[in-house]
Amino acid sequence: NAGVTQTPKFRILKIGQSMTLQCTQDMNHNYMYWYRQDPGMGLKLIYYSVGAGITDKGEVPNGYNVSRSTTEDFPLRLELAAPSQTSVYFCASSQTRNQPQHFGDGTRLSIL
Amino acid sequence: ELKVEQNPLFLSMQEGKNYTIYCNYSTTSDRLYWYRQDPGKSLESLFVLLSNGAVKQEGRLMASLDTKARLSTLHITAAVHDLSATYFCAVDRIDDMRFGAGTRLTVKP
Repeated sequence: NAGVTQTPKFRILKIGQSMTLQCTQDMNHNYMYWYRQDPGMGLKLIYYSVGAGITDKGEVPNGYNVSRSTTEDFPLRLELAAPSQTSVYFCASSQTRNQPQHFGDGTRLSIL
Repeated sequence: ELKVEQNPLFLSMQEGKNYTIYCNYSTTSDRLYWYRQDPGKSLESLFVLLSNGAVKQEGRLMASLDTKARLSTLHITAAVHDLSATYFCAVDRIDDMRFGAGTRLTVKP
């Protein structure tokens, strides 16, 4: 069972570069989420989606964009990388908001 | 603005002892989650609490929710070393979701 798959696992970017973090789930879940976790902190919600074609902002959306063209995929795009975006990024999914979220293994991103 | 406070932030316990982690939040919420995170790993969902008075138990962990007091507790019974991890609560409203800072639990022999 693959669950939630995130790629890449690690990445180093230069300031101003762009990249897309990939997230795929094979559980046919409606809800998908992107979080960031800074060292020693809890998670902060960046964006979420309640289904294909629908996305909404979370607590910290600035500097990020998302799309949800299919149920399975929820990519997160950084357009102009900044040092403040150095973090671990987690993608998660759930069938409904009242059910447990399943998390991917995370992407560790450093911007230098 | 929704704020979530966990305490304690650090907890060192002896095996076999009981303890409680507290999660306070500032506004009404629709649901409350508890998660476990091992060092360098992803998060594992423990409980989802949906209504006032909800109580859920899994092994040595029991979570409860008091929506009137805006308080959730995670109670650990007869702690064992395998429970060493960081525990997060998260509060979810229709328009917002916030995590606590986490409680780093260490269980010593």
